[in-house]
Amino acid sequence: DAGITQSPRHKVTETGTPVTLRCHQTENHRYMYWYRQDPGHGLRLIHYSYGVKDTDKGEVSDGYSVSRSKTEDFLLTLESATSSQTSVYFCATSPGTSRSYEQYFGPGTRLTVT
Amino acid sequence: AQSVTQLDSQVPVFEEAPVELRCNYSSSVSVYLFWYVQYPNQGLQLLLKYLSGSTLVKGINGFEAEFNKSQTSFHLRKPSVHISDTAEYFCAVSDRGGSQGNLIFGKGTKLSVKP
Repeated sequence: DAGITQSPRHKVTETGTPVTLRCHQTENHRYMYWYRQDPGHGLRLIHYSYGVKDTDKGEVSDGYSVSRSKTEDFLLTLESATSSQTSVYFCATSPGTSRSYEQYFGPGTRLTVT
Repeated sequence: AQSVTQLDSQVPVFEEAPVELRCNYSSSVSVYLFWYVQYPNQGLQLLLKYLSGSTLVKGINGFEAEFNKSQTSFHLRKPSVHISDTAEYFCAVSDRGGSQGNLIFGKGTKLSVKP
């Protein structure tokens, strides 16, 4: 399995505050992804990165921004947290080869916005 | 646009019984298909994948899935389940020709194995 860590693992924050979640990988994978998981919705892609400083929006990107200054780190920022952003956030990575787009997932971050 | 439909949100089954979790996809292009499992309070783990070749794919923990192109389905099966198979299962599809490898996930099926 790819070595993927997420920090923090749990966070409670207040509405209107900025929040940054970190994903760190040790596998030198090219692609990195941020998903949110909500009951009844499965996983929905927020943003993804296809290289250092190369990012793009996913299905539910409003209210989120990302940055990737190093291959191993992918940051997700909620500029001004809202209660609708209470969720479990998963980071994933992929080598992105033409043979397979298998993704490897981190353990998740449970975010509660009060 | 691609989409994935998991036809059952919850599947209760008794231990040692067979199980089938259903997945249908919609896509205008050729696809890769995946099944992931999520145990409580954990991330997702790959069970199996279909890339090409044989339409019957075997994965970990005794699971298998069959790709049916004409029915656009990729159903997951196990002949005899264990209590430890209790988890949520996600079907996912990726555009074979895409460059970003983005996965589209179904909404999940919760498998509950009872003694």
